Amino acid sequence: NAGVTQTPKFRVLKTGQSMTLLCAQDMNHEYMYWYRQDPGMGLRLIHYSVGEGTTAKGEVPDGYNVSRLKKQNFLLGLESAAPSQTSVYFCASSGQGDQPQHFGDGTRLSIL
Amino acid sequence: DQQVKQNSPSLSVQEGRISILNCDYTNSMFDYFLWYKKYPAEGPTFLISISSIKDKNEDGRFTVFLNKSAKHLSLHIVPSQPGDSAVYFCAAAHGHNDMRFGAGTRLTVKP
Repeated sequence: NAGVTQTPKFRVLKTGQSMTLLCAQDMNHEYMYWYRQDPGMGLRLIHYSVGEGTTAKGEVPDGYNVSRLKKQNFLLGLESAAPSQTSVYFCASSGQGDQPQHFGDGTRLSIL
Repeated sequence: DQQVKQNSPSLSVQEGRISILNCDYTNSMFDYFLWYKKYPAEGPTFLISISSIKDKNEDGRFTVFLNKSAKHLSLHIVPSQPGDSAVYFCAAAHGHNDMRFGAGTRLTVKP
């Protein structure tokens, strides 16, 4: 009964380093999303995917790339981390129709 | 531009009383509205939703009201319980790919 699993849960990076955040869902959902949450703000959509092999930009895509090679996995990459990318990152997935999004527990990322 | 606003960062109520959380939106294209609840160190969990064709949806102690003309929705929790203490996010969507969230309201229910 895992739902949406994010790894890692915490990470500290130095400016300029790269890393990949992994999201895995076991609900056979078509749609997957990456959000960031910053203090005093709601969740903001970075990128999303409507199915295996497809990705699209959300509200705040700059500095991030994504890939969806398998239906159950959605990867978020930071090629050259910047302090402005310090945030809590949430992955979510949803099924067809008016289905609510199911969220993982987040990855807290600090960039020094 | 914040298309979804929750103007009250925090709310405190007594156990057993009603909690009312409010949310305003600006985009008239939104046709699906949701409330999520979030505990510390966890992801948001879905609570209740409402389609734009309805003005009320009820699920146990939780009721969501939608006033489309005012672009306003509210979540009522009756009776409030200490376990309801969490951050509540309002969200509005138009299709799968355009969901916007408010900044959240921290609800504290005092025993």
